[in-house]
Amino acid sequence: LAKTTQPISMDSYEGQEVNITCSHNNIATNDYITWYQQFPSQGPRFIIQGYKTKVTNEVASLFIPADRKSSTLSLPRVSLSDTAVYYCLVGRPFSSGSARQLTFGSGTQLTVLP
Amino acid sequence: KAGVTQTPRYLIKTRGQQVTLSCSPISGHRSVSWYQQTPGQGLQFLFEYFSETQRNKGNFPGRFSGRQFSNSRSEMNVSTLELGDSALYLCASSPGQFDATNEKLFFGSGTQLSVL
Repeated sequence: LAKTTQPISMDSYEGQEVNITCSHNNIATNDYITWYQQFPSQGPRFIIQGYKTKVTNEVASLFIPADRKSSTLSLPRVSLSDTAVYYCLVGRPFSSGSARQLTFGSGTQLTVLP
Repeated sequence: KAGVTQTPRYLIKTRGQQVTLSCSPISGHRSVSWYQQTPGQGLQFLFEYFSETQRNKGNFPGRFSGRQFSNSRSEMNVSTLELGDSALYLCASSPGQFDATNEKLFFGSGTQLSVL
């Protein structure tokens, strides 16, 4: 299984762009990368998912270099409500003959300051 | 669509007891997976069920078990509770497609279990 490493915590100010990097050196060919956001006493919520290069949606961008050994979640112009824990998940899809393999990172506590 | 529903929301048990937690997935989702979340260990995968069959299991003792019913609802059971089992137990559902190149997990709000 791919082991993932994230910074434990990050601080930012409102309106700034925040980049959180996840390292996954042992990522396999079929693994995809997903980021989740979690608020206290709630389950994680999907933010963005990608396989390679760059993916953008209405809330974030995900940058994945060619070697795919890391990925960077970019949150543009953060607000106080973005204070949460962000998890990087490296996953291998289920296919006949093999079980799904999922490895969560330890999570990054992002604190947005006024 | 209704989201993933977990019951109960909070639970207090004593050591040695057993507990059953319930998870109702999003309608149409066939895969349900369970996770244990503690401040020290983060999010750890327990097991996953698809069409009533366990198809993957994490590194937890046999005291942790689960099952899935024909309507995709799932239960997990922890027997002989220990203090260290105190945690937030999360369930997630997904379509569970074979050979899907990507798949999102939809999490419930969890059951907070306290073992005294």
